Amino acid sequence: EAEVAQSPRYKITEKSQAVAFWCDPISGHATLYWYRQILGQGPELLVQFQDESVVDDSQLPKDRFSAERLKGVDSTLKIQPAELGDSAMYLCASSPDSEWDTQYFGPGTRLTVL
Amino acid sequence: GESVGLHLPTLSVQEGDNSIINCAYSNSASDYFIWYKQESGKGPQFIIDIRSNMDKRQGQRVTVLLNKTVKHLSLQIAATQPGDSAVYFCAENMGSGGSNYKLTFGKGTLLTVNP
Repeated sequence: EAEVAQSPRYKITEKSQAVAFWCDPISGHATLYWYRQILGQGPELLVQFQDESVVDDSQLPKDRFSAERLKGVDSTLKIQPAELGDSAMYLCASSPDSEWDTQYFGPGTRLTVL
Repeated sequence: GESVGLHLPTLSVQEGDNSIINCAYSNSASDYFIWYKQESGKGPQFIIDIRSNMDKRQGQRVTVLLNKTVKHLSLQIAATQPGDSAVYFCAENMGSGGSNYKLTFGKGTLLTVNP
């Protein structure tokens, strides 16, 4: 069964450092999402890509966060500089194309900022 | 703002019993709803979905009920098993359609199944 891949699974960093997360969606899925999930809460959308284009980044803190999906396949989410409040699970999801398509999630990257 | 919420933050059931997890939503324009299961340290796993033109949908051991009149969604799990222990999230499609729709998650309900 095809799955969304994410790496690393865990990341510990010090504040003010740069971190990057990688996501490889299910093959053929045009839409890719990055979510942030704080412990005990539901995921919150950070950015949505349709192929290589950003569709929605209204909730992405653009002063420190950036995301790219250059070839419309895998994607990278970067934080620079990391702050203590960035500690969370970062989830990637993908879906084939339309609004009726289910989003399938990867295992996430657990970020701890010290 | 408009949001998705849950009536019960925790639910404890005995193995073999049926479980019902509830969710209230406030956006009457939402047209697609999904239940996800999230085990500790893992990403959310799709369970079942329902569109607003339906009021019931059944899967394997799970049933989702949608009551648009009172904006209520429920997930029923039959013969609950220890492997069902997880946090369950409902999510709603709050977007305008096409490729620019936004899935908004509720806070989650922790289901604990006692052997």
